[in-house]
Amino acid sequence: NAGVTQTPKFQVLKTGQSMTLQCAQDMNHNSMYWYRQDPGMGLRLIYYSASEGTTDKGEVPNGYNVSRLNKREFSLRLESAAPSQTSVYFCASREQGMNTEAFFGQGTRLTVV
Amino acid sequence: KQEVTQIPAALSVPEGENLVLNCSFTDSAIYNLQWFRQDPGKGLTSLLLIQSSQREQTSGRLNASLDKSSGRSTLYIAASQPGDSATYLCAATGNQFYFGTGTSLTVIP
Repeated sequence: NAGVTQTPKFQVLKTGQSMTLQCAQDMNHNSMYWYRQDPGMGLRLIYYSASEGTTDKGEVPNGYNVSRLNKREFSLRLESAAPSQTSVYFCASREQGMNTEAFFGQGTRLTVV
Repeated sequence: KQEVTQIPAALSVPEGENLVLNCSFTDSAIYNLQWFRQDPGKGLTSLLLIQSSQREQTSGRLNASLDKSSGRSTLYIAASQPGDSATYLCAATGNQFYFGTGTSLTVIP
């Protein structure tokens, strides 16, 4: 099984450009998450989707939008990229329920210049 | 808001040593505690998941314990190897995951 797959792996954007980060999981998980990881700040939750058709804001949602396209896919969109959004982005999934194990993708390294 | 702290931030040990990584959290109302490993430039790999009703979990040379009442978890690595060098992250979970900033481990051959 591929697990959680993120595309692209690397991206450089100019300030003001838009892009969508893609995430797909093949484990039939209900819940999916987007995190960003910054040096010294750990991983912070941007948005999550507890189940297909639902999305909720996390700790740092400003400047981002998400779409739960179907049970497998959860995309993160930057409408107008800013240098402060330079980060490593991780997608994660788990079965529904708060006591289940999380699985993470390999990350997308985004640089906004 | 749940706050998760990991001490030390960095640790360097000679090969073969046993070591303990610490994780503390402020809200004991967690569902489970999950330990991850992260290699440079890579994603997070799940190591161990401890349910809130459990006290410990073991996988090979790894043993993780959980004490909800004191807000602490430890990851014990036995007979460390250079291949164990990585950053270790703990996450306290509820409807989301609350991460510590990690312990960077270097095992010297």
